[in-house]
Amino acid sequence: EAGVTQFPSHSVIEKGQTVTLRCDPISGHDNLYWYRRVMGKEIKFLLHFVKESKQDESGMPNNRFLAERTGGTYSTLKVQPAELEDSGVYFCASSQVSRDNYGYTFGSGTRLTVV
Amino acid sequence: QKEVEQNSGPLSVPEGAIASLNCTYSDRGSQSFFWYRQYSGKSPELIMFIYSNGDKEDGRFTAQLNKASQYVSLLIRDSQPSDSATYLCAVKRNTDKLIFGTGTRLQVFP
Repeated sequence: EAGVTQFPSHSVIEKGQTVTLRCDPISGHDNLYWYRRVMGKEIKFLLHFVKESKQDESGMPNNRFLAERTGGTYSTLKVQPAELEDSGVYFCASSQVSRDNYGYTFGSGTRLTVV
Repeated sequence: QKEVEQNSGPLSVPEGAIASLNCTYSDRGSQSFFWYRQYSGKSPELIMFIYSNGDKEDGRFTAQLNKASQYVSLLIRDSQPSDSATYLCAVKRNTDKLIFGTGTRLQVFP
């Protein structure tokens, strides 16, 4: 079984540019999550999709961030326009069912650097 | 106050010793507790989860939960150099969202 796939693995962009991150969850996983780790801080929740619907987007920092999950398969996270503080590692994760006492599988992340 | 607190370390233990990693959380409504291991530049990998008070053992790993003290720990027996990594504590309340601590870096030296 293929794991959670994210690309690009690294992205360096200038402030004000647009970047789109992509996540392909494990096949058949209805739940997809985005998290972010800013340097020196803990990993923080951004949002949760169930199939194509946004279940919880309470962690999205502002309206420069737009997440989509067309057809309930892969997801994209677009940052437009990027700011310096958006630099960090963006993780995607997926799970088959939503259960309180189970964790989920993370991708290897996209390291975003805004200069 | 952070919701999930961990000592950043590094925690250095000799090979073969027991490594004890600790985590406290602030919200008494937390229901599920997780330990992830993260090697440098890699994705977090789930090691253990626990949701009832007491101990839960899986191979060399034991998770301990004390809800009254709002404390969860991870013991690694017979530590190996390959266990050297950052260990992340995470909790869930009544949603599917994980709340992470900053992690404890463990170094196991030969």
